[in-house]
Amino acid sequence: GAGVSQSPRYKVAKRGQDVALRCDPISGHVSLFWYQQALGQGPEFLTYFQNEAQLDKSGLPSDRFFAERPEGSVSTLKIQRTQQEDSAVYLCASSLGGDRGRPEKLFFGSGTQLSVL
Amino acid sequence: GQNIDQPTEMTATEGAIVQINCTYQTSGFNGLFWYQQHAGEAPTFLSYNVLDGLEEKGRFSSFLSRSKGYSYLLLKELQMKDSASYLCAVMDSNYQLIWGAGTKLIIKP
Repeated sequence: GAGVSQSPRYKVAKRGQDVALRCDPISGHVSLFWYQQALGQGPEFLTYFQNEAQLDKSGLPSDRFFAERPEGSVSTLKIQRTQQEDSAVYLCASSLGGDRGRPEKLFFGSGTQLSVL
Repeated sequence: GQNIDQPTEMTATEGAIVQINCTYQTSGFNGLFWYQQHAGEAPTFLSYNVLDGLEEKGRFSSFLSRSKGYSYLLLKELQMKDSASYLCAVMDSNYQLIWGAGTKLIIKP
């Protein structure tokens, strides 16, 4: 597609519910990142994929958070047993190269705003 | 710990010039990015600096001083559409992006 696409745009979940957030990166982009952004804050790193390989998941806040990118394109971020502190905007970003050691600009999706009640 | 500091909010007048500062303390440095984020939208790339000095790109310029741990984004001939948050992000020695909280810029007619 022309840009990074995320769905749903908004998600309301009851505490304890499982949610799945989808990211469709720019076609051909090797690197994919997930970020969590609280209101009025900058993005916080969650996890990084190079193609289908999850090379860094150091930012995932707990084992309730799980991400996958099985075919090296679309990625899903799953949050199990959601809690109120999970409420945030979840941003996905992709970049063309696969070498994390070569800084390049990220292309972001508009995010999924998750509200846990 | 790692830290990026930016002013929370700034106000400027249409047609004027504004400078948004960013100071950082990180473990290593592999470049500094500026992104623009309109409310409810995706951040979009503005600039990347890895060497000291000024990079000019149209109405926007970005400056870096590595010795001072300091950068600024300069916006000239401000337009109403420039109202947005401006995020400063530093790539550390592990090639991890460390983000500031962003500066909300309000443009008044």
